[in-house]
Amino acid sequence: GAVVSQHPSRVICKSGTSVKIECRSLDFQATTMFWYRQFPKKSLMLMATSNEGSKATYEQGVEKDKFLINHASLTLSTLTVTSAHPEDSSFYICSATASGIQETQYFGPGTRLLVL
Amino acid sequence: LAKTTQPISMDSYEGQEVNITCSHNNIATNDYITWYQQFPSQGPRFIIQGYKTKVTNEVASLFIPADRKSSTLSLPRVSLSDTAVYYCLVVVIGGRRALTFGSGTRLQVQP
Repeated sequence: GAVVSQHPSRVICKSGTSVKIECRSLDFQATTMFWYRQFPKKSLMLMATSNEGSKATYEQGVEKDKFLINHASLTLSTLTVTSAHPEDSSFYICSATASGIQETQYFGPGTRLLVL
Repeated sequence: LAKTTQPISMDSYEGQEVNITCSHNNIATNDYITWYQQFPSQGPRFIIQGYKTKVTNEVASLFIPADRKSSTLSLPRVSLSDTAVYYCLVVVIGGRRALTFGSGTRLQVQP
């Protein structure tokens, strides 16, 4: 199947700093990527839809100025958590849809963010 | 989007066949059923996808009755490494939309 990578896999930062997470589709092009957040023992919650060459679409309750998304190419989307706080500590996962009859959505391995 | 309902948890033993059933009563004509597996601290991994009848791959089988209001993921001869959370999702064909995850089924395989 298609491969989606994320970098870094884990990051620890101080409160108030910004953290950038990269999501790459390695063997296919993705005009649309999605960013999810998952808290311990909970299910994935959609944060935003990242569209190549245009602005991201954010879910209700997700601050667009805090979670900056850039989708500059067909294989790369970045999520920047600005002025991170401890409550932003979570597991961030991206996904991308590979073209095809059923357009299966593939997920990255996730990024564990811990804000101290 | 059709809402899905699946058991919160299941227990099994190594070597047994595990069947996880998901109900999706409001599934639409353009929807198909997709199952993902997630291990702790990892992204969901695609398992299988189908529209009707039976689909089989090297990992699992997916049974979908004619009315498509439910589906069953069948894992043959599970091992300890199959301990994970399994999500059933209904996806719009060609929709390129984000997936709506339910609570999933937490499968615990015992030795």
